[in-house]
Amino acid sequence: QVQLVESGGGLVKPGGSLRLSCVASGFTFSDYYMTWIRQAPGRGLEWVSYIRSSGGYTKYADSVKGRFTISRDNAKNSLYLQMNSLRAEDTAVYHCARGGGWLPLVDYWGQGTLVTVSS
Amino acid sequence: QSALTQPASVSGSPGQSITISCTGTSSDVGGFNYVSWYQHHPGKAPKLMISDVNNRPSGVSNRFSGSKSGNTASLTISGLQAEDEADYYCSSYTTSTTLIFGGGTKLTVL
Repeated sequence: QVQLVESGGGLVKPGGSLRLSCVASGFTFSDYYMTWIRQAPGRGLEWVSYIRSSGGYTKYADSVKGRFTISRDNAKNSLYLQMNSLRAEDTAVYHCARGGGWLPLVDYWGQGTLVTVSS
Repeated sequence: QSALTQPASVSGSPGQSITISCTGTSSDVGGFNYVSWYQHHPGKAPKLMISDVNNRPSGVSNRFSGSKSGNTASLTISGLQAEDEADYYCSSYTTSTTLIFGGGTKLTVL
């Protein structure tokens, strides 16, 4: 069965950096788009970024563009999110999610990892 | 781009039917048949309930159905059960090749 397990969350000061990881299993990782989606406390879901199956194309929400970088290692079945210049408003649970084969439409999600940006 | 518009809450009694709406624009909901619905129990991974407006993934109860008219998509849950109590989110692909979510709807089973 499809499993997505995130890690790397934690407490970081404003302006700091953090790298999230997501390990996938139960499917051919290299065949699918992968996506990061976040949920701030008391708020709804917000799409953050996605990356094409080959890794050759990425897209970002305006709120994180220039600060976050999505990447993947298909040999390790792993997805990453490098987050720099973190702000208080980036505080959220970050979910890794599987997209489709040719569009980033999400089907399976991980449980998420909490990122808290606070001094 | 603003979030898709969903009612903040809906409620119904066991056995009843409820419908949750999701309103966007011609750049997202109205422009594609790529509307998805997710069920989210807090602390758990969200679960896909409907894809491509009205496609029910394997294993999802046939009490869940989706539809779309113009810029508004809808999720209908019939024969409400206590286990359906959760947050529900719609999502759509957009003309900017991004994804957009609704603000979420809290379903209470009375």
